[in-house]
Amino acid sequence: AQKVTQAQTEISVVEKEDVTLDCVYETRDTTYYLFWYKQPPSGELVFLIRRNSFDEQNEISGRYSWNFQKSTSSFNFTITASQVVDSAVYFCALSEAETTDSWGKLQFGAGTQVVVTP
Amino acid sequence: DTEVTQTPKHLVMGMTNKKSLKCEQHMGHRAMYWYKQKAKKPPELMFVYSYEKLSINESVPSRFSPECPNSSLLNLHLHALQPEDSALYLCASSQDDQSRETQYFGPGTRLLVL
Repeated sequence: AQKVTQAQTEISVVEKEDVTLDCVYETRDTTYYLFWYKQPPSGELVFLIRRNSFDEQNEISGRYSWNFQKSTSSFNFTITASQVVDSAVYFCALSEAETTDSWGKLQFGAGTQVVVTP
Repeated sequence: DTEVTQTPKHLVMGMTNKKSLKCEQHMGHRAMYWYKQKAKKPPELMFVYSYEKLSINESVPSRFSPECPNSSLLNLHLHALQPEDSALYLCASSQDDQSRETQYFGPGTRLLVL
């Protein structure tokens, strides 16, 4: 069963617009970790953020911000004032710390393609 | 420094060839991973090495053979591949194989099997 859902397949924006990527996860574990990765056309997966299940503080890093809400099992990602260099596929991933079969494994969502046009 | 390197960047091979993919990290990480990624899909885990021992094999066909010669190196030996094995092969490493650890990925090898 899909444990991480990224319902948006592709989002197209014009430069300087804000874009929010949704991520909904499913787990019975109380301890788990959530990640966001960026994959530009070159192919390399670039780590953006890790959040553990006990830390619901929102985080901002430059133009990037993340909103973690355990009540809705969501870990959404916003790019403010988007730039052409933000064009990439963004993956949300879950790592469960208690479920034996998935312990230590990154479970990726399907990814969201972001296209930023000048 | 969070660099993972992979060679070659591109590889074209026939179904009867034998080739190897190489991955290297110098971050002192003790867990290393191979992933396969098809176009427009997320990465799929293939193998996990923890402290140079194979800890996870996600039911990968035997035509893929991983090897971890030392803590910094990870190889993937390819033999008698099929055209459907064409994909981007990503290597990753992390401090150890615990769920809390961040995996850092290399740039990948784009493999085409003819």
